[in-house]
Amino acid sequence: QSVLTQPPSVSAAPGQKVTISCSGSSSNIGNNDVSWYQQLPGTAPKLLIYENVERPSGIPDRFSGSKSGTSATLAITGLQTGDEADYYCGTWDSSLTSVVFGGGTKVTVL
Amino acid sequence: EVHLVESGGGSVQGGGSLSLSCAASGFRFSNFWMTWVRQAPGKGLEWVANINQDGSGKYYADSMKGRITISRDNAKNSVSLHMNSLRGEDTAVYYCTRIGYKSCGLDYWGQGALVTVSS
Repeated sequence: QSVLTQPPSVSAAPGQKVTISCSGSSSNIGNNDVSWYQQLPGTAPKLLIYENVERPSGIPDRFSGSKSGTSATLAITGLQTGDEADYYCGTWDSSLTSVVFGGGTKVTVL
Repeated sequence: EVHLVESGGGSVQGGGSLSLSCAASGFRFSNFWMTWVRQAPGKGLEWVANINQDGSGKYYADSMKGRITISRDNAKNSVSLHMNSLRGEDTAVYYCTRIGYKSCGLDYWGQGALVTVSS
């Protein structure tokens, strides 16, 4: 199992909103910044959110991140068919001295 | 523009060795930590190793510790991953990535190199 816990899948209709949770502990999310990655089918992952809430240039503001305590959340609003992908959270774990990822969440647009 | 291009993937027998290389361009390579992340077929992301800017600091995942070595050549803008005693569970796409943000935010990824270990 993954150190960070994500739901295996979420779904919603086009135009709707989905949220993906990422749960950890004090050694990872609780004391470090969270990043989120989008992996479209057959491609390499791409950075969506860094340092909990920041978006790299070119990432639309439909994607937003938040963090509270030992959990983080990725929200996608105005869902589009092109958003169908796997999404991963990741951070540094200070106790394990490792980069840790969530198991990934598959987003399906109904 | 930042580019990371992996090479060296392929098929290897169980117990064998393989080296991956990553050629970096478009940024001052010596200023950044670099990382290898792998993804087994149909599975999630798994971190493999980190290396700091001058190569003096290295971290390895427990699943591969003792069987891998990460290194870099700042003169050639490249980072390498040497793997030995390979097992079937090491079969994966291996991605070269750059650490661009705090807590190992990985801002650029290569296209990946497939390593297949057969028994």
